[in-house]
Amino acid sequence: SQQGEEDPQALSIQEGENATMNCSYKTSINNLQWYRQNSGRGLVHLILIRSNEREKHSGRLRVTLDTSKKSSSLLITASRAADTASYFCATDIIGGSNYKLTFGKGTLLTVNP
Amino acid sequence: DGGITQSPKYLFRKEGQNVTLSCEQNLNHDAMYWYRQDPGQGLRLIYYSQIVNDFQKGDIAEGYSVSREKKESFPLTVTSAQKNPTAFYLCASSGGRISYGYTFGSGTRLTVV
Repeated sequence: SQQGEEDPQALSIQEGENATMNCSYKTSINNLQWYRQNSGRGLVHLILIRSNEREKHSGRLRVTLDTSKKSSSLLITASRAADTASYFCATDIIGGSNYKLTFGKGTLLTVNP
Repeated sequence: DGGITQSPKYLFRKEGQNVTLSCEQNLNHDAMYWYRQDPGQGLRLIYYSQIVNDFQKGDIAEGYSVSREKKESFPLTVTSAQKNPTAFYLCASSGGRISYGYTFGSGTRLTVV
């Protein structure tokens, strides 16, 4: 079953603009992670935020986590055409296996030059 | 260079055939995973293994089998019992501490002909 759901399903922006993607989940988590997937390729780990953290930065990425609303957002600032990819959130569920992530369906981001 | 290697990149299966997808890692990771991805969809967990000689069913294990005889290897067999096997298959590994995230292979695209 899908624990995380990304929103929107697709997002198209111009180069230089910021892109915001959201993830909602259903049950309490240990941490939430964001991954990127270029078309036809494997996923690449971007950033992890723990349940006791509210915000985290990595380069042009900013992730927030609101455990009271069971939601997270990924902000990509000053987007580039090379940022075009699908972005997935993944959750590590409290009480679940420490070795198992559940992924959402992803947001397809298109950055137009 | 450390990483995960999936082979083959493309695989064609005839009706009624079993096929095996290879996944090898040299990251010294304890945990390995198989996910299935259908077009426009998220990742669904097929099987996972936390240690050698042990593995657990994921959400969609029917029609699939795995083995974990070596730490480095986690092959997936798609059996004839899997009625809709056409999909993109992704293998991943983890150091056992979920806070490090997953490392993914580049995937195998399986098509039934």
